Amino acid sequence: GESVGLHLPTLSVQEGDNSIINCAYSNSASDYFIWYKQESGKGPQFIIDIRSNMDKRQGQRVTVLLNKTVKHLSLQIAATQPGDSAVYFCAEIWGAGGTSYGKLTFGQGTILTVHP
Amino acid sequence: EAGVAQSPRYKIIEKRQSVAFWCNPISGHATLYWYQQILGQGPKLLIQFQNNGVVDDSQLPKDRFSAERLKGVDSTLKIQPAKLEDSAVYLCASSLALGADTQYFGPGTRLTVL
Repeated sequence: GESVGLHLPTLSVQEGDNSIINCAYSNSASDYFIWYKQESGKGPQFIIDIRSNMDKRQGQRVTVLLNKTVKHLSLQIAATQPGDSAVYFCAEIWGAGGTSYGKLTFGQGTILTVHP
Repeated sequence: EAGVAQSPRYKIIEKRQSVAFWCNPISGHATLYWYQQILGQGPKLLIQFQNNGVVDDSQLPKDRFSAERLKGVDSTLKIQPAKLEDSAVYLCASSLALGADTQYFGPGTRLTVL
């Protein structure tokens, strides 16, 4: 079935480096994408989102890129800090204005480890 | 603004026992979601409420799982009887409305079935 997935399950970086976390999706009808950060023992925390009519969106130290041609989503974290260590999930909503009613479909997740 | 509250945080039961989880969403949020997160996986939606009505329960194992949101605010999720494969974190989330709206998650309840 259609799903959201990640290329790399783990990513280790040094403090201060930039991190890039990738996500592939297969549902061409997806029109809204979200990145969540989940720390140990906590629920997912919203980081940034992007709609399908955009190809880039920037937040504080984070940038999300969307390439609809190859169905690829990425999260870039600038100047990665130890506090960024967590599991990162991409999630999609398709038909956000229609029958999906905002149902999130999550990918497997990428473990980001930042070394001091 | 207070976040989504869940209780208990941890629960250990034996298989075939019953268990219930409670969720209090962010004040004013009409939409409430229950997710199941098995270790190493992303959360999977079990059921979604809009006020006190069910919007989507297509992935809820209805032979053993039930959920309600009687007054359109708090919600409970029940498992009866529990199986070993129900061991997971049960996350509650809420959003202002249906559709592409930011979902805010609670800390979850970690269930271990022995």
